[in-house]
Amino acid sequence: EVQLVQSGGGLVQPGGSLRLSCAASGFPFSNYAMSWVRQAPGKGLEWVSVVTRGGSTLYADSVEGRFTISRDNSENTVYLQLNSLRAEDTAVYYCAKERNPYTTAVRRCDFWGQGTLVTVSS
Amino acid sequence: QSALTQPASVSGSPGQSITISCTGSSSDVGGYNYVSWYQQHPGKAPKLMIYDVSDRPSGVSNRFSGSKSDNTASLTISGLQAEDEADYYCSSYTSGSTLVFGGGTKLTVL
Repeated sequence: EVQLVQSGGGLVQPGGSLRLSCAASGFPFSNYAMSWVRQAPGKGLEWVSVVTRGGSTLYADSVEGRFTISRDNSENTVYLQLNSLRAEDTAVYYCAKERNPYTTAVRRCDFWGQGTLVTVSS
Repeated sequence: QSALTQPASVSGSPGQSITISCTGSSSDVGGYNYVSWYQQHPGKAPKLMIYDVSDRPSGVSNRFSGSKSDNTASLTISGLQAEDEADYYCSSYTSGSTLVFGGGTKLTVL
């Protein structure tokens, strides 16, 4: 059974940092691209970042230069480092698995973590 | 990358069919057959319902179907049931190798 278990998150002051983790199980993690998607309170989904199986990364313009995605294939975990946080980064953050293996990008997310709330406020 | 355009809300009675549209551009929806649809119930993670325009993941009811014409994709739900009431989001692969979502559509089953 595919599982994505998230940890991290919480309350942080503007300008602060936080690291989110997503531990995967039930599939050959190293073969799949992994993404982060966020959802501000009462709002829609916003794609944030992807890391391919080879370690290539892409970011939404809104987080480029502030967030860093990474993966540890030995730990079956994907991370999102959030720096220089702003109030508008307040959201539930989801990690998500690309459906097809060996892809060089994210095209469809078939499994999602439970979500973790990041609140940026003084 | 601008969000894809979806109607804010749609509604239908049990047993009826509804269609949700998702409009983008030639740089996303129109340029690739990588449109997906997600169902999200309140407080829950999104669930993949349709991928690659019209394919259904294992376990998803065949009451859900997808299609695409030019820059607009559509999700049709036939035989509406109470449990279909949820928010629905489309997404598309883009020319920048990223993913873009629609603004979401709230489906109300009357």
